[in-house]
Amino acid sequence: EAGVTQFPSHSVIEKGQTVTLRCDPISGHDNLYWYRRVMGKEIKFLLHFVKESKQDESGMPNNRFLAERTGGTYSTLKVQPAELEDSGVYFCASSHALTDTQYFGPGTRLTVL
Amino acid sequence: ELKVEQNPLFLSMQEGKNYTIYCNYSTTSDRLYWYRQDPGKSLESLFVLLSNGAVKQEGRLMASLDTKARLSTLHITAAVHDLSATYFCAVSRSGNQFYFGTGTSLTVIP
Repeated sequence: EAGVTQFPSHSVIEKGQTVTLRCDPISGHDNLYWYRRVMGKEIKFLLHFVKESKQDESGMPNNRFLAERTGGTYSTLKVQPAELEDSGVYFCASSHALTDTQYFGPGTRLTVL
Repeated sequence: ELKVEQNPLFLSMQEGKNYTIYCNYSTTSDRLYWYRQDPGKSLESLFVLLSNGAVKQEGRLMASLDTKARLSTLHITAAVHDLSATYFCAVSRSGNQFYFGTGTSLTVIP
């Protein structure tokens, strides 16, 4: 069974540009989560989808971040415009509706110059 | 907000030695998880601890949970090189978002 995949693995952009990260969860997982780890800090929650609906977006830092999960399958996280403090590793995780264990992707390392 | 403190942040240990990583959390939680991450790879689930006094072991790793002290430990026995990785603890409430510790970067040296 394929795990959680994320694309791209690395992205380097300039301040003010737009970047879109993609996450493909494990097939059949209704729950999809986005997290971010800024260098040296803990991994912090951004938001949680149940199917295509946003269940909890309390961790989204500001309105420059937009997450979508059309059709309840893959999800995208867009940062527009990117700022220096957005640099970090963005993780996606998914879980089945009946269990709580979250399965993580390898992350996307975003560098904003 | 639930806070999770993990220590040490960095751990360099010799092969064959034992050591413990600590994870403290600030308020009650439902579950405690330990994950391992190798560079550039996904976080791999190691253990899920559900109740007070829970102990789980896999190979040279053993995790325990004391919900009264709000403390979990990950004990490494007779370390070997392939245990080198970053280890994270995480707690959850009501099956929703995870709250992570800062991670412990473990290096096992010959």
